[in-house]
Amino acid sequence: EVQLVESGGGLVQPGGSLRLSCAASGFSFSSSWMSWVRQAPGKGLEWVATIKQDGSEIFYVESVRGRFTISRDNAKNSLYLQMNSLRVDDTAVYYCARGHHGLDIWGQGTMVPVSS
Amino acid sequence: EIVMTQSPATLSVSPGERATLSCRASQSVNSNLAWYQQKPGQAPRLLIWGASTRATGVPARFSGSGSGTEFTLTISSLQSEDFAVYYCHQYNNWPRTFGQGTKVEIK
Repeated sequence: EVQLVESGGGLVQPGGSLRLSCAASGFSFSSSWMSWVRQAPGKGLEWVATIKQDGSEIFYVESVRGRFTISRDNAKNSLYLQMNSLRVDDTAVYYCARGHHGLDIWGQGTMVPVSS
Repeated sequence: EIVMTQSPATLSVSPGERATLSCRASQSVNSNLAWYQQKPGQAPRLLIWGASTRATGVPARFSGSGSGTEFTLTISSLQSEDFAVYYCHQYNNWPRTFGQGTKVEIK
């Protein structure tokens, strides 16, 4: 079964850090661009970051550049998002998704509330 | 940054009727435009990519059209399972951007 499963979300204080993981199965992870997209409560979708198959190209939305780091481990079929210096406005459900054009496979999302 | 503007914000439609959703880009995105459907509590689902190509398993009642800055998603005959929020998404430029969404609700 083609699947993406996120983990690592949870309550964090402003200024804190969190590392999200996304486990892929059922498709060739190492051949796929991968992305993170977030959705604040009651709001729309916001693209966060994308990484090429071999990690040689990485792109971020301006609001997270310098604070978030996307990475991957193709041997483990896993995608990561290291989030530092978290702010209240980073509060969202974070989805991992396959692709950098149409995002055709999505995980179920992991919630990251940032609050004191 | 390319701003994607969807209209209307909410569309009230009766089952069986046609729904037409619009998406406008602040500059040309060629045909690098996707549409997603999202139901409450669920992840988005890819419907259309390349402005007009249906994703695998998407029913034929969904169709996309347009290029450049003006795009349309048409649902030819709304079924009960189609009531949801729909987002357009441009992948022509970085940063990738989404529209704010159109909610299709039961009239």
